[in-house]
Amino acid sequence: DTGVSQDPRHKITKRGQNVTFRCDPISEHNRLYWYRQTLGQGPEFLTYFQNEAQLEKSRLLSDRFSAERPKGSFSTLEIQRTEQGDSAMYLCASSVVQGVTEAFFGQGTRLTVV
Amino acid sequence: EDQVTQSPEALRLQEGESSSLNCSYTVSGLRGLFWYRQDPGKGPEFLFTLYSAGEEKEKERLKATLTKKESFLHITAPKPEDSATYLCALAGGSGGYQKVTFGTGTKLQVIP
Repeated sequence: DTGVSQDPRHKITKRGQNVTFRCDPISEHNRLYWYRQTLGQGPEFLTYFQNEAQLEKSRLLSDRFSAERPKGSFSTLEIQRTEQGDSAMYLCASSVVQGVTEAFFGQGTRLTVV
Repeated sequence: EDQVTQSPEALRLQEGESSSLNCSYTVSGLRGLFWYRQDPGKGPEFLFTLYSAGEEKEKERLKATLTKKESFLHITAPKPEDSATYLCALAGGSGGYQKVTFGTGTKLQVIP
C-alpha cells in the first residue's frame, strides 16, 4: 500500500497525559498536512510542512501541540497535557509541491480523552 | 475570511434517483476547489479538483462543475455504495497558498 499511513488508528488516553501520533506520507510527496476533525464537521487545518520546514500553523494549534517532520519524511504530532476537548480525529495528508494540488489523506487517528 | 457552505446537510435518495449537492463559497481569489468523499471512521478520499469557472470533471456516476460562486456535485443514478459524506474544500484567498478550508459536508444516503 503506497497511500498515507497513520499510526495508531485509535488512542484512548487519560486527561493530562501526553500523546504522539505518526504519519508516513506518500513517498514522492514533499508537502504534509495535519488536520483535526470533530463529529459532524469538516476537517480543520492545523499545520503544514514542505519538506522539513513547518511553513504555516493555525491559531487552533495551541502551545500544547507540536508537530515535527525530521528529514522531511514522516511526521509526528504531539499533544501535551491532553484535555477532553482534544478528542477528535486527527488526519494527515500529503501532496506534491507544484501548484495548488489535491492532498491525499490517511485513515486518521481517533483520539479519545477520558 | 474564506467561507464554504454545503447544502443540503443530509440527503436521502432512492437508488437510481439523480440529484445534486451544492457548495457555495466566498474567497478572494480561488486557486482550487476540491471534492472528497468520506466514509464513517475513515479519512477523506479525493474525487476532483476544479480550478476555474466553467470547468467540469466526471468520474463514473459523479460529475463536478464550477461557477464563480458555487460548485455542484451531480450524482446520476446513484447506488447504495455511493452513500457517504461528500466534502467540498477550497484553496486560496486569505487561507494562504496551501491552507485548505473545508465545508461541513453533505451526508448522502442511497436506499436500495
